[in-house]
Amino acid sequence: QQQVKQSPQSLIVQKGGISIINCAYENTAFDYFPWYQQFPGKGPALLIAIRPDVSEKKEGRFTISFNKSAKQFSLHIMDSQPGDSATYFCAANTSSNQFYFGTGTSLTVIP
Amino acid sequence: NAGVMQNPRHLVRRRGQEARLRCSPMKGHSHVYWYRQLPEEGLKFMVYLQKENIIDESGMPKERFSAEFPKEGPSILRIQQVVRGDSAAYFCASSPRGQGSQSYEQYFGPGTRLTVT
Repeated sequence: QQQVKQSPQSLIVQKGGISIINCAYENTAFDYFPWYQQFPGKGPALLIAIRPDVSEKKEGRFTISFNKSAKQFSLHIMDSQPGDSATYFCAANTSSNQFYFGTGTSLTVIP
Repeated sequence: NAGVMQNPRHLVRRRGQEARLRCSPMKGHSHVYWYRQLPEEGLKFMVYLQKENIIDESGMPKERFSAEFPKEGPSILRIQQVVRGDSAAYFCASSPRGQGSQSYEQYFGPGTRLTVT
């Protein structure tokens, strides 16, 4: 079964707007939650990551919000730009090192 | 400082042939992971290896698929007697830390796109 559920499948945002992608998980053993960005024909690149002992992490225009009790985390992209158009994957892992990925969100930022 | 290298980038095989995919981890990384990505889907874990050891192969199909990471040279993902359903992008990732470590990072290669005709 899908260990990490991601939504929406696709997202269209105007330039300058906020893009929000959500993920949910069930396994409380997960202790590391990264987000990856993937451009067509390329491998995923680590964007930002969070551990469950904090509720928010911000790096530039990218913010992860983490709700441990709800077992949900989300990626917010502020002031979205056309160059942000890509597929975004959330993931989760435990100390056994196996990563579980969401099914991805295709983001299109319209100029 | 080169990143994770994968070759070939594109591979075409006829049904029944063998496919060999290679992955060279980042310098200093001794942990390698293989993932498969189907169109419109996320990444599915296949296998986790350290040098000369398979640590976790729970995501590998039981037949036709094998992986190795020898003491010298790249990690190899081998698919024997390929079928059309094997067509996918195969990604390798490497990490400087391994089992038992918390919150480690994985760095992905550009992938090998396998097409089975």
